[in-house]
Amino acid sequence: SQTIHQWPATLVQPVGSPLSLECTVEGTSNPNLYWYRQAAGRGLQLLFYSVGIGQISSEVPQNLSASRPQDRQFILSSKKLLLSDSGFYLCAWTVDRVSTDTQYFGPGTRLTVL
Amino acid sequence: QKEVEQDPGPLSVPEGAIVSLNCTYSNSAFQYFMWYRQYSRKGPELLMYTYSSGNKEDGRFTAQVDKSSKYISLFIRDSQPSDSATYLCAMGRDYKLSFGAGTTVTVRA
Repeated sequence: SQTIHQWPATLVQPVGSPLSLECTVEGTSNPNLYWYRQAAGRGLQLLFYSVGIGQISSEVPQNLSASRPQDRQFILSSKKLLLSDSGFYLCAWTVDRVSTDTQYFGPGTRLTVL
Repeated sequence: QKEVEQDPGPLSVPEGAIVSLNCTYSNSAFQYFMWYRQYSRKGPELLMYTYSSGNKEDGRFTAQVDKSSKYISLFIRDSQPSDSATYLCAMGRDYKLSFGAGTTVTVRA
């Protein structure tokens, strides 16, 4: 069966510090991978998506970047965090590159920037 | 205008009641429609998905899509306290989803 891991689960970081969030998927090959951010009381905002290793598409201009060094690994990074980067970060995946409609979500990372 | 509009609620109902949730959308290019359930501080979990206009039933849940009116609904019959969560509608095309803001539902025992 497929599973998705995200870590850390919670993170408190000072403004101006770097960030690295990791997402890995098990039990599948060639998934599409996504990073979303969810602000309190708001819907999910798509940040990045990837259809393959090294292929990253950015949806929203911002302080963040993403990388996909391996097929089932997706990393979200920042060189200098802003207060507005606080939120709940969710990684999502599709079963493969054919069944790209249904996205499944990981447990999320709650980031607080102080 | 947002692509997807969803009443944020909150919605409070007694146990056993029918919960009715709705979303409207503006982009007629959306190809598939989904409902996710999200418990507090957890990732969303997929409840229902459909591609076409009409009804789709799964246990106590019924998803309804009206493409001509650009309107989707989710009905929960015989609601239980365990149904208390935030429900997110989502619509997709070309392997990307657009989400509503979510409706928070509380089912009172």
